[in-house]
Amino acid sequence: NAGVTQTPKFQVLKTGQSMTLQCAQDMNHEYMSWYRQDPGMGLRLIHYSVGAGITDQGEVPNGYNVSRSTTEDFPLRLLSAAPSQTSVYFCASTNKKNYNSPLHFGNGTRLTVT
Amino acid sequence: AQTVTQSQPEMSVQEAETVTLSCTYDTSESNYYLFWYKQPPSRQMILVIRQEAYKQQNATENRFSVNFQKAAKSFSLKISDSQLGDTAMYFCAFVEGGSQGNLIFGKGTKLSVKP
Repeated sequence: NAGVTQTPKFQVLKTGQSMTLQCAQDMNHEYMSWYRQDPGMGLRLIHYSVGAGITDQGEVPNGYNVSRSTTEDFPLRLLSAAPSQTSVYFCASTNKKNYNSPLHFGNGTRLTVT
Repeated sequence: AQTVTQSQPEMSVQEAETVTLSCTYDTSESNYYLFWYKQPPSRQMILVIRQEAYKQQNATENRFSVNFQKAAKSFSLKISDSQLGDTAMYFCAFVEGGSQGNLIFGKGTKLSVKP
């Protein structure tokens, strides 16, 4: 019963490096999203997807790319990391047919950009 | 744009006492859902309680209950018989019914339960 799986748990990057944060869910959820959590800011939506092949921007999309080639996977790509992207990143999913259904979160990735 | 405001950055309570966390939100929609999530030091996000806007009855889950005041756009969380394991960040969140499902979160309240 895996739920939402995020990898890696921790990552340190140098400015300008690229990387992909992985997210996979095994609940056949149509909706998936990425949030970043910064101290005093709560969680802010980066990108989301309502199904395979469909993605859209959230509140803070700059510097991040996403794709959704399968229902299960929703990777988040940083093409050129910047110190401002130091944060904790959460992937989440839900059954979008029922808006009362809560988000299921992964355990987060702590990213530090030096 | 919808907003969620948690006016108490930090709170503390003695073990076994009751504490109330405040949340207000702003929306012009009539169909929406509200949630409280708990984030302990482990970083995991855990759903505490949910409320549908069309239901007048306040939601309750064991020691957790809400005071939902739709006209005032207020959604406070009451924790009764506080336990040390309740120490965590608490986030209030809002989603429009019929939207894509994107939750809007408040900035959180850090709750410390003291022995």
